[in-house]
Amino acid sequence: AQSVTQLDSQVPVFEEAPVELRCNYSSSVSVYLFWYVQYPNQGLQLLLKYLSGSTLVESINGFEAEFNKSQTSFHLRKPSVHISDTAEYFCAVSDQWTGANNLFFGTGTRLTVIP
Amino acid sequence: EAQVTQNPRYLITVTGKKLTVTCSQNMNHEYMSWYRQDPGLGLRQIYYSMNVEVTDKGDVPEGYKVSRKEKRNFPLILESPSPNQTSLYFCASARTGGVSPLHFGNGTRLTVT
Repeated sequence: AQSVTQLDSQVPVFEEAPVELRCNYSSSVSVYLFWYVQYPNQGLQLLLKYLSGSTLVESINGFEAEFNKSQTSFHLRKPSVHISDTAEYFCAVSDQWTGANNLFFGTGTRLTVIP
Repeated sequence: EAQVTQNPRYLITVTGKKLTVTCSQNMNHEYMSWYRQDPGLGLRQIYYSMNVEVTDKGDVPEGYKVSRKEKRNFPLILESPSPNQTSLYFCASARTGGVSPLHFGNGTRLTVT
């Protein structure tokens, strides 16, 4: 069975500071990994995903995540955050047998960017 | 515009009164799914559908029903709602059941008193 742990429920950070949102997973088989973002009063949107290949994946708005198989982690990072990055971020995992759409979500990390 | 539309956005009801939350997508997606979001628990899958007339249970299906009679619609039915079903519900769809990304609706906030 798969599971996802997001170690921090809330992360406050000052504008233009770097941020790391942590995500660890457990699975007995090969996985697909995702980060979704939820802005206030909206549904979730895909931020980035790891399916195979390069372990470093990037989003169009400056976030990146690195798949670390030995540490079973997929931490999300951004070198300089903006006010508009304030949102809730969800890490999710699926295994390569059942397919990427049957996702197991973490409990979420609320990122608050302070002016 | 490609989207997943849920209705209603907000719903307050009483215990035992049957209700339906509708979900429709205009992207010709094969895969659709329902999630509930609760504080501290993240999103949990209720039911999913790989294609028309094919549905399967997710992690928390008790107290819910779904149907997939046509590709675009995937309604969530609560035959006898109870207060523990008070939650924020999301419908999502994807092109296939493989690695294509999920598209989410804007959510339905349900309160059962």
